[in-house]
Amino acid sequence: NAGVTQTPKFRVLKTGQSMTLLCAQDMNHEYMYWYRQDPGMGLRLIHYSVGEGTTAKGEVPDGYNVSRLKKQNFLLGLESAAPSQTSVYFCASTGGVSGANVLTFGAGSRLTVL
Amino acid sequence: AQSVTQPDIHITVSEGASLELRCNYSYGATPYLFWYVQSPGQGLQLLLKYFSGDTLVQGIKGFEAEFKRSQSSFNLRKPSVHWSDAAEYFCAVGAVDSNYQLIWGAGTKLIIKP
Repeated sequence: NAGVTQTPKFRVLKTGQSMTLLCAQDMNHEYMYWYRQDPGMGLRLIHYSVGEGTTAKGEVPDGYNVSRLKKQNFLLGLESAAPSQTSVYFCASTGGVSGANVLTFGAGSRLTVL
Repeated sequence: AQSVTQPDIHITVSEGASLELRCNYSYGATPYLFWYVQSPGQGLQLLLKYFSGDTLVQGIKGFEAEFKRSQSSFNLRKPSVHWSDAAEYFCAVGAVDSNYQLIWGAGTKLIIKP
């Protein structure tokens, strides 16, 4: 039972390069989220999805794009990476049943932009 | 504005001593409250949650938390800490009508002295 799987776990980019982080969940969850975690700032929501084919902006969406073409996958893209996007990225999902919004998290993806 | 405050960035406790981590929130609706734990290099794991009912909730690993509406607090406690409890702890608040988005505190890093 894998839960939430993020790939890659580590990546180093140069400024201006693009990349995609993949989040896959095998729990048939409707809701998926991408967060970034920076020291002293907790988790900040980048984008989220309430179902296949839908996405919405979170607190810090600028510089990122997302897609949810399949229910089990939620992709986070950086079109032109900037040093300010150096962070640890977490994907999470929830089934959203009966208001029980307990999130299941992936192990994180550490991104460094030089 | 909605917010979650964890006043202590770091807390150092001797092994076997009791622990209390503070969490205060500002939230207009009736909140759902959570504590998550993050071990080094790992994703976040749910410790406990409060939705309604008994204001003292029990979680995993011997942790408990008490919801005090009058103080807008949801403090986490453990009577006797173990070295394996060294981690970062996050308090979060949400509501069922918010697409299950959570507002996160900045985290408290727990250091255990032998």
